[in-house]
Amino acid sequence: QKEVEQDPGPLSVPEGAIVSLNCTYSNSAFQYFMWYRQYSRKGPELLMYTYSSGNKEDGRFTAQVDKSSKYISLFIRDSQPSDSATYLCAMSLERSYGNNRLAFGKGNQVVVIP
Amino acid sequence: DVKVTQSSRYLVKRTGEKVFLECVQDMDHENMFWYRQDPGLGLRLIYFSYDVKMKEKGDIPEGYSVSREKKERFSLILESASTNQTSMYLCASSEFSGNTIYFGEGSWLTVV
Repeated sequence: QKEVEQDPGPLSVPEGAIVSLNCTYSNSAFQYFMWYRQYSRKGPELLMYTYSSGNKEDGRFTAQVDKSSKYISLFIRDSQPSDSATYLCAMSLERSYGNNRLAFGKGNQVVVIP
Repeated sequence: DVKVTQSSRYLVKRTGEKVFLECVQDMDHENMFWYRQDPGLGLRLIYFSYDVKMKEKGDIPEGYSVSREKKERFSLILESASTNQTSMYLCASSEFSGNTIYFGEGSWLTVV
């Protein structure tokens, strides 16, 4: 079983729709959960960061973590063509000094159609 | 803002050449990383370093080496480039106890 599973897509939605992305994971020790956005031929940029379970909202973006189900989600409201990108989930263990390797999903390509 | 700069964005090298990929970060981060990203395989960690002159192998270190002589600079070296090393290479950095990492723009390497 892979440590982090993420459906690669692509996911096509019309402009204004809600985009729903998710990842599942196998290691119950993960405590930090992140979403990165990667535009074509660019490096990933940190989009959302949450600790443990719960929700976090930032503008049109909402990140949810359900540790009991080992499931994390990212929602994008009122999607725009500029949201077209690949979204990667990532997670890490409780801080372990000098060794904080992240486990990444493979990324989910999103296309928002005008 | 964190800035991770990869000096070469696009390179074309011949099989057998020695290749240097340079990365500099300006946030005084202790940790630095090199990943490669390939379609269908996602991000794979090659090497990371948590201090000057310290390095640890990641998941796919074969065919690569690294150098960290200064805190802000982390170099990836391909001793003898091969066509299967054609890929996008991403440098990243983080604080020593940080749980998020920050990426550079990537270096696209083609080996012919």
